[in-house]
Amino acid sequence: GQNIDQPTEMTATEGAIVQINCTYQTSGFNGLFWYQQHAGEAPTFLSYNVLDGLEEKGRFSSFLSRSKGYSYLLLKELQMKDSASYLCAVKDSNYQLIWGAGTKLIIKP
Amino acid sequence: GAVVSQHPSRVICKSGTSVKIECRSLDFQATTMFWYRQFPKQSLMLMATSNEGSKATYEQGVEKDKFLINHASLTLSTLTVTSAHPEDSSFYICSARGTGEVSPLHFGNGTRLTVT
Repeated sequence: GQNIDQPTEMTATEGAIVQINCTYQTSGFNGLFWYQQHAGEAPTFLSYNVLDGLEEKGRFSSFLSRSKGYSYLLLKELQMKDSASYLCAVKDSNYQLIWGAGTKLIIKP
Repeated sequence: GAVVSQHPSRVICKSGTSVKIECRSLDFQATTMFWYRQFPKQSLMLMATSNEGSKATYEQGVEKDKFLINHASLTLSTLTVTSAHPEDSSFYICSARGTGEVSPLHFGNGTRLTVT
């Protein structure tokens, strides 16, 4: 079957750096997405990786290793507003999005 | 950036009634729209894929006669929850994809449905 694994919850301190990991086993691969979802709101798009390597976008970076079935989302200079759930999603060979359960990130002052 | 408008944002209805949720792509044409359901503290669950001008493709376990999807134009898809029951209470989110298979999904703001 297809599977996306992420930690359920993480805690970090304001101003610090946190890395949220995502491992996947899917039938084919056509890209990996990271979304941010605040409580009670719809997800918003953060990043897209289809080739191996690091994509940097401001305070957020996303890394992909297709051979390892692994990605991470790196958040720098954490702010209180970064407290949210972070969803990893992979597009399989049929271009269907397979969603992880999300990682709840708690930022402490 | 691309915007998807979903309406209503909140709805409370009585058991046995039907509720329609609209999803519009405001500045792009969405040949494909997706409907998700999310229970508290759980991941998004894809309910169905809606392609303009054709019947929706429902995921296993989703009753197509209960969750009616209509995608009559390139900018509008609707989800109708028919004969709603309290267990249908959930957060429903639509998303739309622009042209190209690798386009990111753009999400509506979601609809919180409460069935009393």
